[in-house]
Amino acid sequence: EAGVAQSPRYKIIEKRQSVAFWCNPISGHATLYWYQQILGQGPKLLIQFQNNGVVDDSQLPKDRFSAERLKGVDSTLKIQPAKLEDSAVYLCASSLGSGREAFFGQGTRLTVV
Amino acid sequence: GESVGLHLPTLSVQEGDNSIINCAYSNSASDYFIWYKQESGKGPQFIIDIRSNMDKRQGQRVTVLLNKTVKHLSLQIAATQPGDSAVYFCAEMKTSYDKVIFGPGTSLSVIP
Repeated sequence: EAGVAQSPRYKIIEKRQSVAFWCNPISGHATLYWYQQILGQGPKLLIQFQNNGVVDDSQLPKDRFSAERLKGVDSTLKIQPAKLEDSAVYLCASSLGSGREAFFGQGTRLTVV
Repeated sequence: GESVGLHLPTLSVQEGDNSIINCAYSNSASDYFIWYKQESGKGPQFIIDIRSNMDKRQGQRVTVLLNKTVKHLSLQIAATQPGDSAVYFCAEMKTSYDKVIFGPGTSLSVIP
C-alpha cells in the first residue's frame, strides 16, 4: 500500500514570498491533516479535512495560510506571504478512522530566509 | 499538552537493555493517550495507544503505563535495538474532537 506522498521535500524561500505544498493521501482515506512541526517540538495541527470539507482550522493563521482539498483527495497548503517563523516541517497525514492512527508523509522542510 | 522548548530531552541506552520514556500530560479529559515514533527525516509513526480507563497496555516489545493520579504516561521498550533510535512523542486525544495534541519529544539513542 502506497503511503502519504508529499512534495517538495525541501523548499527555501525568502520572507514575503509565497510557497505551496502538495499532499496525496492514502487511497480511500477520507480524513486529511496538515501539521506544522517546528524544530525540537511536536507537530501542531493546522487544519483537518473530512473529504473536501474543513473540520478544524482553529490553529491555521488564516491571514497568511490557506489550504484546500478539491474533490476530496489531494490537498495543497499555501503560505502567502511567508515569515521567518514559518520555517518548519509541514507534515500531511491521512486516516481512515481515528486521527490517532493517521499515517504521516515524510513532510516538506521549509526554510524562510 | 503543547510541546515547548527547542531542546529535546535525551535518553541513551545500551542495546539489549530496556528503555523507559516518560511524559506528563495536562488534560484529564482526554480519552486516549498515544505514543509515536519519529525517525530522522520521516513523519511520526503510531506505536501504541491506551484508553483513559486503562492502566496498562502491552504490544510487541512495548508497554504503555498510564497513571491518572499524577497525570503521567510512560513507554517501556524491551530489549532495545538500534532501530529503536528515534524521537518519541506522547500525545493525547479526546474522541469527540478527534484532534491529536502532541507533547514534547524524547530523543532515544541506542548504543551498540
